Amino acid sequence: GAVVSQHPSWVICKSGTSVKIECRSLDFQATTMFWYRQFPKQSLMLMATSNEGSKATYEQGVEKDKFLINHASLTLSTLTVTSAHPEDSSFYICSARDHPRSNQPQHFGDGTRLSIL
Amino acid sequence: GENVEQHPSTLSVQEGDSAVIKCTYSDSASNYFPWYKQELGKGPQLIIDIRSNVGEKKDQRIAVTLNKTAKHFSLHITETQPEDSAVYFCAASIGSSYKLIFGSGTRLLVRP
Repeated sequence: GAVVSQHPSWVICKSGTSVKIECRSLDFQATTMFWYRQFPKQSLMLMATSNEGSKATYEQGVEKDKFLINHASLTLSTLTVTSAHPEDSSFYICSARDHPRSNQPQHFGDGTRLSIL
Repeated sequence: GENVEQHPSTLSVQEGDSAVIKCTYSDSASNYFPWYKQELGKGPQLIIDIRSNVGEKKDQRIAVTLNKTAKHFSLHITETQPEDSAVYFCAASIGSSYKLIFGSGTRLLVRP
């Protein structure tokens, strides 16, 4: 149980385009989803917390107009990297948790490797 | 804010030996400490977690210990196998904000 699916797993696109990444909880309802960014050989850095039906909470230094997050249903959150540039190239990983008021485990997707040319 | 330090950054052990990874956290309000294993090109997979009301937890070859006084927790892997080779991350939850703060990771290599 507790499967999180992320799509696409890998995307290459030209500078200036926008890219949408989907994160789905397959067998549970995720009231909270998290988006992380990971550079090669580095740790996971939390970008934002996404709560179903409300605006995402962004971490300090993360541009909310650059990284648009939508969590319109209990099983789907999307991250859109707008006007992507080479410096946005990274490994983006989502996680989901099914209980809003306790420290239940976060279950991670397998990530999306984004390469901007 | 919370800060989690993890050591060592790399660890090489012979198959069958034990491996220990240590983490310290700064925020005494943290009460949840998971450990994740990340294989190349994959997302992190939860392998074990511990809450602040417990001092030790074991699951087959994996165990985690927590010392709240010292703000220190450790992952112990016994009888290591080559398939244990991966990057391991510790994390701490900042109390009521539910965010996970990750350590810097430990690259474990188990030599056959």
